[in-house]
Amino acid sequence: AQSVTQLGSHVSVSEGALVLLRCNYSSSVPPYLFWYVQYPNQGLQLLLKYTSAATLVKGINGFEAEFKKSETSFHLTKPSAHMSDAAEYFCAVSEGYSSASKIIFGSGTRLSIRP
Amino acid sequence: EAGVTQFPSHSVIEKGQTVTLRCDPISGHDNLYWYRRVMGKEIKFLLHFVKESKQDESGMPNNRFLAERTGGTYSTLKVQPAELEDSGVYFCASSQEYGDYNEQFFGPGTRLTVL
Repeated sequence: AQSVTQLGSHVSVSEGALVLLRCNYSSSVPPYLFWYVQYPNQGLQLLLKYTSAATLVKGINGFEAEFKKSETSFHLTKPSAHMSDAAEYFCAVSEGYSSASKIIFGSGTRLSIRP
Repeated sequence: EAGVTQFPSHSVIEKGQTVTLRCDPISGHDNLYWYRRVMGKEIKFLLHFVKESKQDESGMPNNRFLAERTGGTYSTLKVQPAELEDSGVYFCASSQEYGDYNEQFFGPGTRLTVL
């Protein structure tokens, strides 16, 4: 079964600093990998997705993630943090290749930004 | 275009009472999913509708939970009778029937508190 593990339930960085949120997946060939973000009082929003087309995936709001098969990782990064990036971030994997496959989520990482 | 909407946004009930959550998917989306996140844990899949049919209900915790999707439009999730461990945030998501990847669009969630 597919699974993802997020390292660190809470990450705090200074404004302007690098953001690095870690995610490792269980399968050697995951169907699709995602990063979702949940801002306070809002729903889950898709940040980016990996669909095997390219290993470096660029998403919204300056975020990107790199698929590394050798490390079974899909870490999320942003070069310079903004106060507006404070939110909870979820790494996720689809169970299968069908467009209707259910999504399996990690436990989430809450990102705080220090002024 | 309207996104996925959920009602109510919050619900506080006593143990033993009944609660019904509603989800309106994006118009034209045949796939509808329910997920929930209990306190401090990962978001977990509950079930998946394709139009009005239950495609996968493997994540439903027990028979106190009943989901319906009459007419293949909106869906309801009823909890009867509610228990303390049912507290959490219930998310609904929808997606198109066909596509290259599994992009599910999430609603803002319903926060359920059982006292």
